[in-house]
Amino acid sequence: QVQLQESGPGLVKPSQTLSLTCTVSGGSISSGAHYWSWFRQFPGKDLEWIAYIYKTGSTDYKPSLQSLVTISVDTSRNQFSLKLNSVTAADSAVYYCARGVEGIVDAFDVWGQGTVVTVS
Amino acid sequence: DIQMTQSPSSLSASVGDRVTITCRASQTISTYLNWYQQKPGKAPKLLIYAASTLQSGVPSRFSGSGSGTDFTLTIISLQPEDFATYYCQQSYNKITFGQGTTLEIK
Repeated sequence: QVQLQESGPGLVKPSQTLSLTCTVSGGSISSGAHYWSWFRQFPGKDLEWIAYIYKTGSTDYKPSLQSLVTISVDTSRNQFSLKLNSVTAADSAVYYCARGVEGIVDAFDVWGQGTVVTVS
Repeated sequence: DIQMTQSPSSLSASVGDRVTITCRASQTISTYLNWYQQKPGKAPKLLIYAASTLQSGVPSRFSGSGSGTDFTLTIISLQPEDFATYYCQQSYNKITFGQGTTLEIK
């Protein structure tokens, strides 16, 4: 079955750019009608959606983050990525990538295990 | 942003109990409402989408209902593995989550 795995630095300095990659295995990003998304969960347990992308490159972003975030897809590597600019301590969180239910843009049925990011 | 408010924030129950968690949206969201379960150290797991559709593989003791602004997640006959945190998520306008409801063993 499809599995997702986040990768990237666990520690980022303030004002730098956070770059994360989600590698999809057991299936192709290019097949089916799935949206691919990034979320984060803060230490207080609040969940926040960041952005999603479709295999065609079509994207959507959380409005308050749109100016700081870029999501991209590399179908040849079966990966999608997140870049978050100008990070602050408030961006410290567990970052998850997830797959949307086929044909449903905004319910997510397969998640990565999460990667802890600390800004310090 | 559409604000999602869950109640209660925490709940104690026993194995075999029936529990209901509610989720209220700050504006109407039709049935653009999903429910997730999360256990400590794990990613969220999709339980229900479109307010009442059970995700494949999820036990039938879970059910969802509601439309507009008020929604419920009901679990009948609680099992030990059901003790976790539950989140609602709207997708009517972008995506936002409720603050979570922690279901604890009494």
